[in-house]
Amino acid sequence: EDKVVQSPLSLVVHEGDTVTLNCSYEVTNFRSLLWYKQEKKAPTFLFMLTSSGIEKKSGRLSSILDKKELFSILNITATQTGDSAVYLCAVEGYGNKLVFGAGTILRVKS
Amino acid sequence: EAGVAQSPRYKIIEKRQSVAFWCNPISGHATLYWYQQILGQGPKLLIQFQNNGVVDDSQLPKDRFSAERLKGVDSTLKIQPAKLEDSAVYLCASTLGRGQGGTNEKLFFGSGTQLSVL
Repeated sequence: EDKVVQSPLSLVVHEGDTVTLNCSYEVTNFRSLLWYKQEKKAPTFLFMLTSSGIEKKSGRLSSILDKKELFSILNITATQTGDSAVYLCAVEGYGNKLVFGAGTILRVKS
Repeated sequence: EAGVAQSPRYKIIEKRQSVAFWCNPISGHATLYWYQQILGQGPKLLIQFQNNGVVDDSQLPKDRFSAERLKGVDSTLKIQPAKLEDSAVYLCASTLGRGQGGTNEKLFFGSGTQLSVL
């Protein structure tokens, strides 16, 4: 059965800190890994990763995939209170199915 | 560009009652998904439509859940009768193409319907 595990489950940091969120997976016929930010209810797309070792960046957020070790990390530098959210990792595998992890709850204190 | 529209935003019902949720995807998006997200968990796919046909409903509890997308545009998800464990956020999402989350086919989510079953 396909599985996605995220860690930590929750994290509290202060503004300006750097955080690293982890996502490990076991998926049949891996196609891509996606990161979403979920504030309130609607997840919004952050990154899609398909190749190992190629960092994707968007402002203060960056992510990288390691297909050999089956994990990805999401980094957020100089955190702001607006970064407080649940960060979801999802992996696309066999049959184009997306399997989501349980998420990491990030709270940034001012 | 208008996003994925869902209604209602919140619904409180008693167990054994029925409930229906509505979703209107982004215009032109052929693929529509319903996800169930229980508190503290990631979204779980219930059903995937391609136009008005069902692509995957393997995780839909068919004894109580049903969904339709008759004209290939908007969709309705129904629960009848509801159980306490159905309390969750029901998310609708859409993409342009055939795949799910594949290259250039990222999901666009609606704001969800929060269901509480008492």
